[in-house]
Amino acid sequence: EVQLVESGGGLVQPGRSMKLSCAASGFTFNNYDMAWVCQAPKKGLEWVATISYDGSSTYYRDSVKGRFTISRDNAKSTLYLQMDSLRSEDTATYYCARAYYGYDYFDYWGQGVMVTVSS
Amino acid sequence: DIQMTQSPASLSASLGETVTIECRASEDIYNGLAWYQQKPGKSPQLLIYNANSLHTGVPSRFSGSGSGTQYSLKINSLQSEDVASYFCQQYYNYPPYTFGAGTKLELK
Repeated sequence: EVQLVESGGGLVQPGRSMKLSCAASGFTFNNYDMAWVCQAPKKGLEWVATISYDGSSTYYRDSVKGRFTISRDNAKSTLYLQMDSLRSEDTATYYCARAYYGYDYFDYWGQGVMVTVSS
Repeated sequence: DIQMTQSPASLSASLGETVTIECRASEDIYNGLAWYQQKPGKSPQLLIYNANSLHTGVPSRFSGSGSGTQYSLKINSLQSEDVASYFCQQYYNYPPYTFGAGTKLELK
């Protein structure tokens, strides 16, 4: 069974940093691109970043470029999102998602982790 | 960036009814479209990919169709467990991958 379990969220002050983790199991992690997708309270879904199966390529939405870094440790089957210079508008639930290879729709999602940026 | 316009924003329907949700892309996305269901307090779940292919385990009352810039999700014989928000997503042209704003489906 595919499982994605996020951790690391919480309350953080504007301008500070936070690192999210996503532990994957039930599939061969290093065969799949992975992504982070966020959802502000009562809002829609917004793609944040994607990393290729081997970590060689990364893509970001414009609003997080230069502030967020997606990375992965294939030996640990874990995906990360380092979030720096956080802003109030980054407040959202962050989901880890598996991207189906060749097409990049998101076929499995984690339960999500809430990040609140507030003083 | 490709914009995804989803309609309606909300929908109220009765048990057993057939409902349709539309998604329009700002340019041709060549069937690079997925539909997701998100129940209250839960994470999104994939329903349809490649515009019309049913994801593993999804009931056959869900179906997707369309081409070019116009796509739709149809739910036949609405069940109570279908109460959820539904989102479309294009993955033909990225970055960024873009989602529709969502449709909230409620029971009448």
